[in-house]
Amino acid sequence: GAVVSQHPSWVICKSGTSVKIECRSLDFQATTMFWYRQFPKQSLMLMATSNEGSKATYEQGVEKDKFLINHASLTLSTLTVTSAHPEDSSFYICSASPDRARGYTFGSGTRLTVV
Amino acid sequence: GEDVEQSLFLSVREGDSSVINCTYTDSSSTYLYWYKQEPGAGLQLLTYIFSNMDMKQDQRLTVLLNKKDKHLSLRIADTQTGDSAIYFCAETPGGNQFYFGTGTSLTVIP
Repeated sequence: GAVVSQHPSWVICKSGTSVKIECRSLDFQATTMFWYRQFPKQSLMLMATSNEGSKATYEQGVEKDKFLINHASLTLSTLTVTSAHPEDSSFYICSASPDRARGYTFGSGTRLTVV
Repeated sequence: GEDVEQSLFLSVREGDSSVINCTYTDSSSTYLYWYKQEPGAGLQLLTYIFSNMDMKQDQRLTVLLNKKDKHLSLRIADTQTGDSAIYFCAETPGGNQFYFGTGTSLTVIP
């Protein structure tokens, strides 16, 4: 149990376009989901906390208007990278937890390349 | 946020034991976790320990927690080449916040 599905697993887009990444909890409901970004040779960086039915909470330094998060249902959160630029190229990972004792389950990640 | 630190690299020979260490700063941590990340993949939860425990063993994995020193370790017995990956420790002090260590890249030499 506790499966999180992330889609797409990789995407290449042109500079200036927008890309949407989906994160779904398949066998549990998640009122909260988390979006991370992985920089090369660094740990995961928490970007934002997605809250079902309300606004996302962004970490300091993360542009809200650039990384749009929508958590419209208990099983789906989306991250839209708007007007993507090459520096947005990265590995994006979402996570959610059915309960704290089981820790957090992570999606498989999305490799975004902006050309 | 809280500081969670790990050594960046560890190399061991196949069949030996690996010990990956982690230190954290938040004394109010409730759960501490170890995750494994293989190349290009998401993180896989390996094991976790509740903060009132000192040790937890799960097959080849042994987690030791020294709460006084805020030190967490993961021992992998009989390390195999398939264990080569990045290992992240993580802790949650409560609520929904979740802090990861920098990750330790484990290389198993055949």
